[in-house]
Amino acid sequence: EAQVTQNPRYLITVTGKKLTVTCSQNMNHEYMSWYRQDPGLGLRQIYYSMNVEVTDKGDVPEGYKVSRKEKRNFPLILESPSPNQTSLYFCASTGRGPEGGYNEQFFGPGTRLTVL
Amino acid sequence: GQQVMQIPQYQHVQEGEDFTTYCNSSTTLSNIQWYKQRPGGHPVFLIQLVKSGEVKKQKRLTFQFGEAKKNSSLHITATQTTDVGTYFCAGRSGSGAGSYQLTFGKGTKLSVIP
Repeated sequence: EAQVTQNPRYLITVTGKKLTVTCSQNMNHEYMSWYRQDPGLGLRQIYYSMNVEVTDKGDVPEGYKVSRKEKRNFPLILESPSPNQTSLYFCASTGRGPEGGYNEQFFGPGTRLTVL
Repeated sequence: GQQVMQIPQYQHVQEGEDFTTYCNSSTTLSNIQWYKQRPGGHPVFLIQLVKSGEVKKQKRLTFQFGEAKKNSSLHITATQTTDVGTYFCAGRSGSGAGSYQLTFGKGTKLSVIP
């Protein structure tokens, strides 16, 4: 089954304790992205990656890091989490269509993070 | 940068009433996509519109892409409780390698009163 998986699904942590949220897709997609979703603000892109070893900042990258060492995995790293990073996080991936354009985004199930 | 405005932010309807959400882009789009997010769920792709003036239907859902490719709408006829959720539009502009980025609207949260 084609899917994007994220782990953990729920996490409560404390300020300053480094954490990693994993994301994996099994569709051989080149493009992957991280979003955070907050009430009234919609989906805001954190980082994205066009391919292995190619990453770039989205709209709200401060306080986050990513890596893309393998095509299928795109972990999100919070080196020193703060309470304002409490949010719902989604990983997404996109593949190319037959004419070269990008198709729809497949979203993971989400990770609800609380930073105390 | 590109901005996609979506209205209304919230909509409460009686079951059986119609519902419409609108998206407007600050720039001309190459295509626009629509997603639905059920409460507690993740966004799920509904449809993509590419051509100027394009209209597509999925059962009770009608999607339109404006002639100038800067606006779009989603209309639901005779809403049902299963339509509850947040509907997002997402636009792409440019072509070639620059066309990978999607800009999401803030979404319209639909509540249906039985």
